[in-house]
Amino acid sequence: NAGVTQTPKFQVLKTGQSMTLQCAQDMNHEYMSWYRQDPGMGLRLIHYSVGAGITDQGEVPNGYNVSRSTTEDFPLRLLSAAPSQTSVYFCASSYVTSGANVLTFGAGSRLTVL
Amino acid sequence: TQLLEQSPQFLSIQEGENLTVYCNSSSVFSSLQWYRQEPGEGPVLLVTVVTGGEVKKLKRLTFQFGDARKDSSLHITAAQPGDTGLYLCAPRGMYSGGGADGLTFGKGTHLIIQP
Repeated sequence: NAGVTQTPKFQVLKTGQSMTLQCAQDMNHEYMSWYRQDPGMGLRLIHYSVGAGITDQGEVPNGYNVSRSTTEDFPLRLLSAAPSQTSVYFCASSYVTSGANVLTFGAGSRLTVL
Repeated sequence: TQLLEQSPQFLSIQEGENLTVYCNSSSVFSSLQWYRQEPGEGPVLLVTVVTGGEVKKLKRLTFQFGDARKDSSLHITAAQPGDTGLYLCAPRGMYSGGGADGLTFGKGTHLIIQP
C-alpha cells in the first residue's frame, strides 16, 4: 500500500496564482485532513472531511478550499496565493478506534509564494 | 480551544543519555497521541494513551498519561542518533465532535542526539 500520496512535493508560485495540492489515500479511511506546518507554529488544521461529500473548516481555513468527491481524494485549492501561505502542507487520512483518531500523514508539499 | 505546551522546545544531548519531554495542558483529554517527525517527512504515530495513569513502552521509549489526563511525558532511555526528530503530542479533547475532526498538535520538542 502507498498510504497517503501528496503531489507536488515542491511548488513555487507568484502572488495571485492559483493551484491545487493533491492528496490521495489507498487505505479506505473515511476521514481526511489538511494541515500546514510553519516554524514556531506547529501543525495547524486547515480543513477536514469526515467522508465523501462532507467537509468542514479547521483552525486556519481562510484562503483555502477543499472538496471530497471520492473517499480516496482530498485536494486543497489555493484560489489566489499570498506570501503568508508559504508553508509545508501535510495531508492525513485517519480512522477512529477506541475514541482516538489515528492519523497517517503524507510526506508533505513545500509551497513557496513569491 | 485547549492550550498545549510542550517542553523543552529544543533538546540536544549525547548518545547514551536519558531524557524526558513533556506535554501539558489545563484541559482534560479523552486520549493523547505522540508522533515523531523526521526532516522532510510527515509525522508518524508512535503511541496512543487513553487511560489516566497509563504507561506504554515502545522499545526504549516510555510514554505516560497523567492520572488526571491533563498531561503526558515521553522518556527515552539510552538515546540513539536515530531518535533525532520532532516529537509532537496530539491530545483529543473530552468533547470533540464525531471523532474524525482533525487533531490539535503541540508545537513539539526538537530532539537532537549527537553521536
